[in-house]
Amino acid sequence: AQKITQTQPGMFVQEKEAVTLDCTYDTSDQSYGLFWYKQPSSGEMIFLIYQGSYDEQNATEGRYSLNFQKARKSANLVISASQLGDSAMYFCAIKERYGGSQGNLIFGKGTKLSVKP
Amino acid sequence: DAGITQSPRHKVTETGTPVTLRCHQTENHRYMYWYRQDPGHGLRLIHYSYGVKDTDKGEVSDGYSVSRSKTEDFLLTLESATSSQTSVYFCAISEDYAGTQETQYFGPGTRLLVL
Repeated sequence: AQKITQTQPGMFVQEKEAVTLDCTYDTSDQSYGLFWYKQPSSGEMIFLIYQGSYDEQNATEGRYSLNFQKARKSANLVISASQLGDSAMYFCAIKERYGGSQGNLIFGKGTKLSVKP
Repeated sequence: DAGITQSPRHKVTETGTPVTLRCHQTENHRYMYWYRQDPGHGLRLIHYSYGVKDTDKGEVSDGYSVSRSKTEDFLLTLESATSSQTSVYFCAISEDYAGTQETQYFGPGTRLLVL
C-alpha cells in the first residue's frame, strides 16, 4: 500500500474561498510526522506546515491549517481565503519513527491547485 | 530561507556520460538528501548523508553514487547517465534525522536531461 495517498490530481478554487486538499496515510507506527510542501511553477519546494502524531491540536500556520484525523489516518490541508499565489502543486509527506521508510520522508504524488480570479 | 544552492541548475548530457550534481549548504546541518522528482511519482529519495563520509541508500539508488567530504557539500554522481535518469533533482537538508518532527528544507533543484 502507498504510504501517502493524495486522491485529487487537480483542483480549482475561487479566489478568497477556502479549499481542502486531501491526504491519507498508511503507517503502523505510533510516532510519525506529517508535512505539507508547496511547489509553485518556479519549481522550488516550500515547507508549509507540520503535524506530529502526538499533537493534540491541529497545526496552523497563517492561512494554512491541518485537519488531522488520526483514527481515519488523514491529514488534510486547509487553505483559507485563497490567493492567486496559492496556485501550485501541493505535496503531503510522512516521516515515520521506526517504520519501513527508515525515518525518511515519503511523499505523495501531489495535488495541483489552481486559484481562479 | 535555508541557505542551499545546487549546481548546475540545468544540464543537458548524452547517454553514457558521467554527471555530477553539487549541493552546497551554509546552515551547518548534519543531514543532507538527494531526491528525484518525476511526473506521477512525487519526490523519491536517492541517497542521504548523516555526516561527513557517512551515506546510505534511499528508495531509488541504483545508478547513483554520492560523496560527502565536507559538511557543506553533498555530491550526486551518475556514473553513466541513462535516459531514465532525466529528471529534476532536489537536494534537502535537516538538522536532525531521527526525530519525526525534523523538517527538511529543499534547494532550488537541478533539471537534468539525458539525450
